[in-house]
Amino acid sequence: DTGVSQNPRHKITKRGQNVTFRCDPISEHNRLYWYRQTLGQGPEFLTYFQNEAQLEKSRLLSDRFSAERPKGSFSTLEIQRTEQGDSAMYLCASQDNNQPQHFGDGTRLSIL
Amino acid sequence: AQTVTQSQPEMSVQEAETVTLSCTYDTSESDYYLFWYKQPPSRQMILVIRQEAYKQQNATENRFSVNFQKAAKSFSLKISDSQLGDAAMYFCAYRRTQGGSEKLVFGKGTKLTVNP
Repeated sequence: DTGVSQNPRHKITKRGQNVTFRCDPISEHNRLYWYRQTLGQGPEFLTYFQNEAQLEKSRLLSDRFSAERPKGSFSTLEIQRTEQGDSAMYLCASQDNNQPQHFGDGTRLSIL
Repeated sequence: AQTVTQSQPEMSVQEAETVTLSCTYDTSESDYYLFWYKQPPSRQMILVIRQEAYKQQNATENRFSVNFQKAAKSFSLKISDSQLGDAAMYFCAYRRTQGGSEKLVFGKGTKLTVNP
């Protein structure tokens, strides 16, 4: 069990650029979640995969956001045409059936 | 929609003393999970303790215990014999057990400072 891995740890980009984050869940965890955490707040749910199927998306996930989980393994979260308000920590968590979610270290996004 | 409220933005405790962090939640469901997660500065969020709503017995994990009051929708965390390494943000979270994703709904967190 190597834990949930997220890359990159930090991303600094100019407003309007596209960014992509990667999450590698604990192997054989069938459920994968993305959350967003802004300063001074708790994490907020963005989207959920069970295996390769994206089963739920939050209202927070605007059209500029897209997530994939090809083959039910790693997942990517892409933000197009980034805006200042996208600055946040993006957390990934994986879960095995009815067990607790395990979190990665997160990717901190800063928009200049 | 479920909501989780942590009314204490910050708490402090002396090393070796006991501290209690508060959490209330709102739900219309009868079965669910409640969690406390710890997030040290710039580090990974880790699970401290969890409680299943159908269990009346309060969960305990070493120095960490909860006071689960289902009727009052209250779920407090007690940390005994506080250690410097307990300093962190603590998040209370709710998770449904059936139907759709099992996404976590978090409170805003309580920042715990442990004084030597």
